Order: sequence, then structure tokens, then C-alpha cells
Amino acid sequence: GDSVTQMEGPVTLSEEAFLTINCTYTATGYPSLFWYVQYPGEGLQLLLKATKADDKGSNKGFEATYRKETTSFHLEKGSVQVSDSAVYFCALSGIRKLIFGQGTELSVKP
Amino acid sequence: GAGVSQSPRYKVAKRGQDVALRCDPISGHVSLFWYQQALGQGPEFLTYFQNEAQLDKSGLPSDRFFAERPEGSVSTLKIQRTQQEDSAVYLCASSFRGNYEQYFGPGTRLTVT
Repeated sequence: GDSVTQMEGPVTLSEEAFLTINCTYTATGYPSLFWYVQYPGEGLQLLLKATKADDKGSNKGFEATYRKETTSFHLEKGSVQVSDSAVYFCALSGIRKLIFGQGTELSVKP
Repeated sequence: GAGVSQSPRYKVAKRGQDVALRCDPISGHVSLFWYQQALGQGPEFLTYFQNEAQLDKSGLPSDRFFAERPEGSVSTLKIQRTQQEDSAVYLCASSFRGNYEQYFGPGTRLTVT
């Protein structure tokens, strides 16, 4: 069945460091891909999405490109801030549901 | 406008008790989803409604779990005879239609003691 695999956390970075969180997927067909973010004590928020191969989703300085050839959707940000500390989830659109990875916790230190 | 709301935010139940978790979706959203998120894991799909029709309940872990959305708006997830393994955060999401962006509520953290 469809599945998503993320790099394990926690990831600890200093402020202004470059961020990459790896995400690969297995799916039949051509799903849409998403990154969700969960701040402490809050619900999931959509960070960005891409609906077809080679699309790049971007928001708040974060980017991810839908790579069909490598079945990947890695999340990147050029310069992280303390306020980016959260748990990040990669997900794909299954039939009538979202399928999530296990989440990657990011901690950014000043 | 208001987002998805869930109540209660926290629930502690003794093993064997029944619990009911409520979800108020965004007004006008046709589709409603329930997910279960165990500690340190990603959310896992439980069930999906389109209006009042429950079109997919393949993720419900046992027949102790039951969900309804009788008027196509508010939904209730009921867990009967709770067990310790039911301890998790239960997330509700709604979307305009099935394949549109899902908006999540803050979740209900259920602890079974």
C-alpha cells in the first residue's frame, strides 16, 4: 500500500542554519504531496503542497519539489529561525485520506 | 471564519469507560475525517464522511470505535470500553470536498488509565 518515510528526528540546528528534512514515498498513481507542521499544543497546519511531478511548493521560506523519478519530496529552508521549532509531517493523498510519515521534530537553538 | 474545533481538548478515562469526542467542522465543508495520532507517530486515518454518509471506515481499529455525523455537520467519535492502547490524540479534519485541502482541529488527547 501507499506509504511515506521521513528521516528520523530530532533534528537540532542553530539559528540561520540550512534545513533539509528528507521524505520519500511509495504510491500507486500520482498523488499530491504535502508538508504539514505541528507547533507545540496546536493542530496540524498545511505548510506547502505540490500536486504533480516537478511542482515546487513554497511557503514561509520553506520549499519542496515533487520528484517522481526519486519518489521524494524533501523539505528545505535556507535559514531557520527559533520560531520554526515544531514537528514536520510529510504526507500524500491516498483515496479519501491523507497518509502521513512519522514526523520529524525540529529544534532550533538561538 | 472559525476553524475546526474539537471538544474536549483533554479526556482522561478509566479502562472500560465509554467516551465521546466531538468535532465541529468548518461551516460548509462537505468532507470530514478522523485520524488517530499515537505519541511520536504521524496521524493515521480512521474514517471519512461525505455529508452524513460514512463512506470509509476502514481505519477504525475495532468494533469498539464508532463515528457518526447525523446531520452532515458535527461529528462524534465514540469509543466503547476504552483500553490503554486507545490512548492517543484524536484529530478531526474537514475539507470543502473530498480531494481538497484538509483543515485540522487541535485534537483531543485521550488518556486511558
